[in-house]
Amino acid sequence: SAVISQKPSRDICQRGTSLTIQCQVDSQVTMMFWYRQQPGQSLTLIATANQGSEATYESGFVIDKFPISRPNLTFSTLTVSNMSPEDSSIYLCSVRNGHGGYTFGSGTRLTVV
Amino acid sequence: AQTVTQSQPEMSVQEAETVTLSCTYDTSENNYYLFWYKQPPSRQMILVIRQEAYKQQNATENRFSVNFQKAAKSFSLKISDSQLGDTAMYFCAFRENYGGSQGNLIFGKGTKLSVKP
Repeated sequence: SAVISQKPSRDICQRGTSLTIQCQVDSQVTMMFWYRQQPGQSLTLIATANQGSEATYESGFVIDKFPISRPNLTFSTLTVSNMSPEDSSIYLCSVRNGHGGYTFGSGTRLTVV
Repeated sequence: AQTVTQSQPEMSVQEAETVTLSCTYDTSENNYYLFWYKQPPSRQMILVIRQEAYKQQNATENRFSVNFQKAAKSFSLKISDSQLGDTAMYFCAFRENYGGSQGNLIFGKGTKLSVKP
């Protein structure tokens, strides 16, 4: 199975600023998925990132707020822009592994003050 | 649209006993995958077990097994001989068969399981 290194593991940020979250995969993958998990809630898909094309965003998420980069098949970043306290969540990246399942990064716990 | 429903927000079980977590889903697809993921306080998402819809045999992984009822669209998780380390949030998830889809997971709201000594 793929191994994902996600950074940072946590951060406390001032409102109005931006945070970029990185995910590095130890193998090449076509799609990377970015999820948000609000406090006490389930995971909600933000967007799907394909290498060489624009990310596909789910309803309620926009590129200006959550720009995504996918420069190669092993790396992606998600930026949370112009943050407000409502953005306080855990953000996780995920990829499909070779066994029909999915591997997740360890998550980034973001607190906006 | 596909939906996944977990009707038990919280459950508790005594150590060494058996507990069953419920999950139902809604889809018009015939081929799909179902998963149970565990999220301990460390927040790492850990795959517990998965089931392909075309397989009639229920999946098992050591102390974890599922009861997959395709007609009823039900996918429950049974944990036998519960251990303290099983304490976590458990999420049921669905993915339609890849062909042509983006292949992302759709999650239920989760069940918080507490194993008591």
